[in-house]
Amino acid sequence: SQKIEQNSEALNIQEGKTATLTCNYTNYSPAYLQWYRQDPGRGPVFLLLIRENEKEKRKERLKVTFDTTLKQSLFHITASQPADSATYLCALPDTGRRALTFGSGTRLQVQP
Amino acid sequence: GAVVSQHPSWVICKSGTSVKIECRSLDFQATTMFWYRQFPKQSLMLMATSNEGSKATYEQGVEKDKFLINHASLTLSTLTVTSAHPEDSSFYICSARDPPDTSNQPQHFGDGTRLSIL
Repeated sequence: SQKIEQNSEALNIQEGKTATLTCNYTNYSPAYLQWYRQDPGRGPVFLLLIRENEKEKRKERLKVTFDTTLKQSLFHITASQPADSATYLCALPDTGRRALTFGSGTRLQVQP
Repeated sequence: GAVVSQHPSWVICKSGTSVKIECRSLDFQATTMFWYRQFPKQSLMLMATSNEGSKATYEQGVEKDKFLINHASLTLSTLTVTSAHPEDSSFYICSARDPPDTSNQPQHFGDGTRLSIL
């Protein structure tokens, strides 16, 4: 069955550093991968989409890579700020359907 | 940008009560909406796909008689948790795509409904 893995342990980093979050998947050949941010008690907010033919995508301080050979995506936040503290979810399209399957998310805590 | 509104944001009620949750697309038409459930410290799990003008598609293990979905218009889907029990307590979130039929576009999520059954 399809499976998405994100590091369940919280990631604590110092303000100004680069945060790197990992998303690994198995039994998938996704055409794209998405990253979302979720704050406590709120719905997820879309951040970035990267397609299978794209190795890297950037948006302001965010960068996503997509390695379809390793079946892995890395999500980077440069010059991190306390306001970046949240849970970050990766998501892949369900095979043959229009919904998304989400990883369990990684909680990022940026210390001032 | 596209906005999805969900109401209510928080419900506390007694066991046996039925609870209706509304999900609206505010500035776009959504022929399809998705209902997810999220337990504490867990990921979002798809419950069902709501289709405007036709029956919802439920995921395996989700009781369709327990979780009634109605998608009567292009901007509104409702989820009714019938005869709710404490184990139904969870965070329910809806989402939709704009445009609706493009699978590689992001989903827009509502802010969720925290359901607590006493």
